[in-house]
Amino acid sequence: EDQVTQSPEALRLQEGESSSLNCSYTVSGLRGLFWYRQDPGKGPEFLFTLYSAGEEKEKERLKATLTKKESFLHITAPKPEDSATYLCAVQASNTGKLIFGQGTTLQVKP
Amino acid sequence: EAGVAQSPRYKIIEKRQSVAFWCNPISGHATLYWYQQILGQGPKLLIQFQNNGVVDDSQLPKDRFSAERLKGVDSTLKIQPAKLEDSAVYLCASSRLAGGGETQYFGPGTRLLVL
Repeated sequence: EDQVTQSPEALRLQEGESSSLNCSYTVSGLRGLFWYRQDPGKGPEFLFTLYSAGEEKEKERLKATLTKKESFLHITAPKPEDSATYLCAVQASNTGKLIFGQGTTLQVKP
Repeated sequence: EAGVAQSPRYKIIEKRQSVAFWCNPISGHATLYWYQQILGQGPKLLIQFQNNGVVDDSQLPKDRFSAERLKGVDSTLKIQPAKLEDSAVYLCASSRLAGGGETQYFGPGTRLLVL
């Protein structure tokens, strides 16, 4: 069964304190791994797509990496505006269905 | 480019009542998805349309939920009758095509509270 597990469930950081969020997955035939950001009361906002092990993508203070079993979202010198829930999802087939993890809620304190 | 539009944004109903949600996808996107997101969880796919046709509705509770996508553009999701456990955010997403790593773009969601 395809499955996605994110850790930790919640993370509190001081402004400027770098850290990483983990996304572990089991899937038969990965088509893509997606990271989304979700602010309270809003829909998920697309951040990155990773397609194969070894791939990396960056956007401002965020960097996503992918191995055959997990993905990491590295946050470098975070700011309070990076506070949000970060969702990881895998796409296992050509239907396009995304299987989401439960998310990591990040709080960055000034 | 306009994003995915959804309405209403909030809805409060009594159990056993019916409710309908509307979604307008990004222009030109052939694939439309409805997800249910329960508080503290990630979104779960309810139904996927490719143009007018249903691609995947395996997790749609068909005894109470129904959805349609007329003319391959707008879509409506209906719940009748609603149960307490249907309280959740209903998210609509769209993508240019289905699968193959295509990015799905989400709307703001409809927050449903069933009392």
